[in-house]
Amino acid sequence: DAGITQSPRYKITETGRQVTLMCHQTWSHSYMFWYRQDLGHGLRLIYYSAAADITDKGEVPDGYVVSRSKTENFPLTLESATRSQTSVYFCATEDLAGGSSSYNEQFFGPGTRLTVL
Amino acid sequence: RKEVEQDPGPFNVPEGATVAFNCTYSNSASQSFFWYRQDCRKEPKLLMSVYSSGNEDGRFTAQLNRASQYISLLIRDSKLSDSATYLCVVNRVNKFYFGSGTKLNVKP
Repeated sequence: DAGITQSPRYKITETGRQVTLMCHQTWSHSYMFWYRQDLGHGLRLIYYSAAADITDKGEVPDGYVVSRSKTENFPLTLESATRSQTSVYFCATEDLAGGSSSYNEQFFGPGTRLTVL
Repeated sequence: RKEVEQDPGPFNVPEGATVAFNCTYSNSASQSFFWYRQDCRKEPKLLMSVYSSGNEDGRFTAQLNRASQYISLLIRDSKLSDSATYLCVVNRVNKFYFGSGTKLNVKP
């Protein structure tokens, strides 16, 4: 039982190509998040999802598309990759079964290192 | 202005030392607060939540000052294994905002 997995772990692609990063959880947590982590910026929220078929933009959504047809999967697509999207991408989950998000822990996947040439 | 600001460090301390990190947050409507730990090239993991009254977990003590909008983390009796980057995190309306992290190096 891996909890939260991301694939691929490493990806090199070229400018203009479409890339999809996969995120899968085995817990059935309601919330899922995509972040990117760059030097000097910390983690920045790209998109998040409160439940299946409910998604919303974060701080830096431009150039990315998400979907959530099933609770356990939350793929992130770069429609036309650019060099500025070279980053480490983390998927995370949060269980809000108990109500509000106050003090609920986020659980992170191992990350995907994406390089856009 | 960034939502959460931290001194990037690095803080280089000997084993056994006490070290303190602060972070500030810009939005007074922030609702909950956390410290996460991130080891090199790994995913962040929750170290501790930060409660209004302050809280302690073993060698770690967290404090929140809502009036001044800052959060602190105190590590006592530092261990080599405490070497990592410490991320200050605030939550507002189900969104989490991360600081850039403070790097700690504990040396023998």
